[in-house]
Amino acid sequence: AQSVTQLDSHVSVSEGTPVLLRCNYSSSYSPSLFWYVQHPNKGLQLLLKYTSAATLVKGINGFEAEFKKSETSFHLTKPSAHMSDAAEYFCVVSPNNAGNMLTFGGGTRLMVKP
Amino acid sequence: AAGVIQSPRHLIKEKRETATLKCYPIPRHDTVYWYQQGPGQDPQFLISFYEKMQSDKGSIPDRFSAQQFSDYHSELNMSSLELGDSALYFCASSLEGLAGVNTDTQYFGPGTRLTVL
Repeated sequence: AQSVTQLDSHVSVSEGTPVLLRCNYSSSYSPSLFWYVQHPNKGLQLLLKYTSAATLVKGINGFEAEFKKSETSFHLTKPSAHMSDAAEYFCVVSPNNAGNMLTFGGGTRLMVKP
Repeated sequence: AAGVIQSPRHLIKEKRETATLKCYPIPRHDTVYWYQQGPGQDPQFLISFYEKMQSDKGSIPDRFSAQQFSDYHSELNMSSLELGDSALYFCASSLEGLAGVNTDTQYFGPGTRLTVL
């Protein structure tokens, strides 16, 4: 069994300040972990993924995430928020065994203030 | 680069009607997944296909069925529609890795917004 918990349903930051979106996971297997972003009325876009090659993963648009097995966390960060980062962010786990349905976290809505 | 194509993008149906959603995966991708995202909710896995065979099944109602065709496109058929079926339906595709283990990422289409009146 696997699950994902996004610790904040809403995060509000000012433009130019750091972003931290928190995610904890549980999985019976060595999972793959992803962050997807969804802009209003849009589809899901892959930001980055972790598949055990490196614990610090760099994604698109300046985002990165660090896999910490001891803390079962995969938090998403960005040094400086931009207005265009305002969206819904989903932390996602895949069991990485035979069977690959994704399990989504509840989502975090990021708001960026000017 | 080519992406996942879904059609139609919007669909309005009455209760008890049927609907068919189509998904065209990224070229050379052989695995298709369907997800349902209700209003204000996170996407929930419905069903997936690999090489035209159902590979996993999630929370898909018995009123729904799906299949994958020889050209790898997939269709989600929904019958006896209910108000609660109103949602955004995503299709995702990926390329199966070796030994039956999918090691690649799922790429999502733009979704089909289904409204049941």
